[in-house]
Amino acid sequence: GAVVSQHPSWVICKSGTSVKIECRSLDFQATTMFWYRQFPKQSLMLMATSNEGSKATYEQGVEKDKFLINHASLTLSTLTVTSAHPEDSSFYICSAPGQGGHEQYFGPGTRLTVT
Amino acid sequence: KQEVTQIPAALSVPEGENLVLNCSFTDSAIYNLQWFRQDPGKGLTSLLLIQSSQREQTSGRLNASLDKSSGRSTLYIAASQPGDSATYLCAVRGGNQFYFGTGTSLTVIP
Repeated sequence: GAVVSQHPSWVICKSGTSVKIECRSLDFQATTMFWYRQFPKQSLMLMATSNEGSKATYEQGVEKDKFLINHASLTLSTLTVTSAHPEDSSFYICSAPGQGGHEQYFGPGTRLTVT
Repeated sequence: KQEVTQIPAALSVPEGENLVLNCSFTDSAIYNLQWFRQDPGKGLTSLLLIQSSQREQTSGRLNASLDKSSGRSTLYIAASQPGDSATYLCAVRGGNQFYFGTGTSLTVIP
């Protein structure tokens, strides 16, 4: 089946620094990828839709200048958390639709801790 | 906006029992519904995908049903095992977006 990878799997950074998270579709192309955030004991919340070759679409309440998304190729989308603060600490998961767009394949997630 | 609710929020059963997890959604205009499993601190594992035109899907000890008109889906787990302990999430797809339920945390006691 289709595989989506994320890197890094976990990261600890200091408040005020920026962190980049990569999402790759390993054996298929994805013109669209989705970024989710999950706080402890809560469900996944869609942050933004990443579109290859164009601007990302952000959900209401998500700051586009803080969460920079770049979808530079058909297999890679990146999420950069700029000027991170402790409240940005969360589990970030990306996903991509498989061929035909029916099923959604999820990455293993990235645990971000901001100290 | 689509809202997805899962009941119960937590469930604890002895090994060997059959159990049912419930998922309800407010907008019946869905493209498909997917059940996932999430282990602590891990990503999502897809269990079953039901297209909007389908009524149910089965995989091993798992059976998922979909009643689009009433906005409900159930995940039936037969002969539960300790390895089934995890959080189970349902997600409905409307257009290009996925809306996730709040999850059911399942503990199967040996």
